[in-house]
Amino acid sequence: NAGVTQTPKFRVLKTGQSMTLLCAQDMNHEYMYWYRQDPGMGLRLIHYSVGEGTTAKGEVPDGYNVSRLKKQNFLLGLESAAPSQTSVYFCASSYVGYGYTFGSGTRLTVV
Amino acid sequence: AQTVTQSQPEMSVQEAETVTLSCTYDTSESDYYLFWYKQPPSRQMILVIRQEAYKQQNATENRFSVNFQKAAKSFSLKISDSQLGDAAMYFCAYRSYSGNTPLVFGKGTRLSVIA
Repeated sequence: NAGVTQTPKFRVLKTGQSMTLLCAQDMNHEYMYWYRQDPGMGLRLIHYSVGEGTTAKGEVPDGYNVSRLKKQNFLLGLESAAPSQTSVYFCASSYVGYGYTFGSGTRLTVV
Repeated sequence: AQTVTQSQPEMSVQEAETVTLSCTYDTSESDYYLFWYKQPPSRQMILVIRQEAYKQQNATENRFSVNFQKAAKSFSLKISDSQLGDAAMYFCAYRSYSGNTPLVFGKGTRLSVIA
């Protein structure tokens, strides 16, 4: 099993550009999540989904949008990238009551 | 809202020794789950151990064990016989029993292992 796959693994954007991060899981998990990780800040929740077609805001949703059109995929979009969005982004998925299975992360730099 | 606090930003341990990482949490719920995750330099997040709050017995996974004190809202991780490969960032996390709510993470403790 591949588990949770994130693409791309690295990306450099110019301020104002847009991009989409893709997260795919093959474990039939209902729940999927996007976090960002910054030094000294731990993991902060951006958006999450409790099922196909549903999304909800997390702790730091501004500047991001998400979609979950298929159960196995959870997309994170940046409409107009800003340097403050330079971070490592993690996708995760889970069943009820269990811990997460994480993707390997995407390092995004906005210049 | 629940919060998770890891009061030790950094810790170090000698190889083969034992180290304990602290975690406290704040919640009004009686049923929940607690987790410890390890993040080595590879950046991959790895589940180390899981504890169900309704279980009195402390969870163990090989050299990793927890000291779960429900009344004190404390969930510490003990690593025995520390190895160089244990060097990593460790995150404590909380999840409500309902399952619909995401995990809440602490800010992490960076563990160094000295040869």
